[in-house]
Amino acid sequence: DSGVTQTPKHLITATGQRVTLRCSPRSGDLSVYWYQQSLDQGLQFLIQYYNGEERAKGNILERFSAQQFPDLHSELNLSSLELGDSALYFCASSARDSISGANVLTFGAGSRLTVL
Amino acid sequence: GQNIDQPTEMTATEGAIVQINCTYQTSGFNGLFWYQQHAGEAPTFLSYNVLDGLEEKGRFSSFLSRSKGYSYLLLKELQMKDSASYLCAVRVPSGYSTLTFGKGTMLLVSP
Repeated sequence: DSGVTQTPKHLITATGQRVTLRCSPRSGDLSVYWYQQSLDQGLQFLIQYYNGEERAKGNILERFSAQQFPDLHSELNLSSLELGDSALYFCASSARDSISGANVLTFGAGSRLTVL
Repeated sequence: GQNIDQPTEMTATEGAIVQINCTYQTSGFNGLFWYQQHAGEAPTFLSYNVLDGLEEKGRFSSFLSRSKGYSYLLLKELQMKDSASYLCAVRVPSGYSTLTFGKGTMLLVSP
């Protein structure tokens, strides 16, 4: 267990619908990162929040939005879903690794979204 | 833009040594990471290099040459459980710890 919690684990929905994915970072971690992983694209960075504020934005579509709440959990909202949005969505938080000294991303188990 | 290249697939035999290469062209550099990902699971951190040279961690070692934009992950005494995808990722200075990942190398270890 990485300490990063994501729900739901699996989600099946139809095109045009809207879904919300939820993430709780590890206790004490202030950052939340969202990544999308599809078979052909690999892990793509979507967006990062730090202590409630947006810090960095990657290849996130306008149909997607996210926020981080005062209790530090985060939600990723995906709307007007298309077949191509089917993917694994990972959330991660970061903390300093005691051995390497690096700020390391720790990933949750992911939410698998299937759009039919 | 950022470009990270890795071989798509590799195969090796149990007990052998395998080297997975990664080349990168990025706008700046602030560290290179290797992650392991088993099918359907989360990526897990393996190693980190920010200076040139070799970092050893048990059966796993990682090498970095910043001037060549090149890294490799060396896995020794391969075990069946090492069958997984290995992801190379680069952090750029403006990245606030965000990582840009390569598409991963699927390693299949056979008996």
